[in-house]
Amino acid sequence: GAGVSQSPRYKVAKRGQDVALRCDPISGHVSLFWYQQALGQGPEFLTYFQNEAQLDKSGLPSDRFFAERPEGSVSTLKIQRTQQEDSAVYLCASSLGSATGELFFGEGSRLTVL
Amino acid sequence: GIQVEQSPPDLILQEGANSTLRCNFSDSVNNLQWFHQNPWGQLINLFYIPSGTKQNGRLSATTVATERYSLLYISSSQTTDSGVYFCAASARQLTFGSGTQLTVLP
Repeated sequence: GAGVSQSPRYKVAKRGQDVALRCDPISGHVSLFWYQQALGQGPEFLTYFQNEAQLDKSGLPSDRFFAERPEGSVSTLKIQRTQQEDSAVYLCASSLGSATGELFFGEGSRLTVL
Repeated sequence: GIQVEQSPPDLILQEGANSTLRCNFSDSVNNLQWFHQNPWGQLINLFYIPSGTKQNGRLSATTVATERYSLLYISSSQTTDSGVYFCAASARQLTFGSGTQLTVLP
């Protein structure tokens, strides 16, 4: 597609529910990133894929967070047993080549945990 | 990991004024980008500028990698320039600063 596409744009979950957020990167982009942005803060790195390989997951805040990109294209970020502190905007980005290339971001998925 | 600091945190301008936003980073980088986050939350790429100078219309940016800083210049500001400007730098994964909240008054 023309840009990075994320869905859903908005998600409200009750505490304890599982959620799945989808990212469709720019076609042909090798690298894919997930970031978390809390209100009033800059985005913070969660995890990075090169094709289907998850090369860096050092930013995932707990083992309740899991990301996958099984075919090297679409990625899903899953959050199990959501908690209120998980409320944030989750941003996906892709780049054509390596992790140090120019990143292009989607519009984000805003998660609110009640 | 790398630290990225932006200044000023807030900036209020009258329409037509010029401004300079600064980004300092703590280590050598091979990627530096400037973004504008629009009111709907999307990060819009302004510049990919690990070194050197680039210009795009009323915006320009300069990165002096050896001195570990980058500057974003906005000339003849317009109300539509309002929003948060982020600098992000990396040696591995892109690390964002806390942003500069720019408000341009009519």
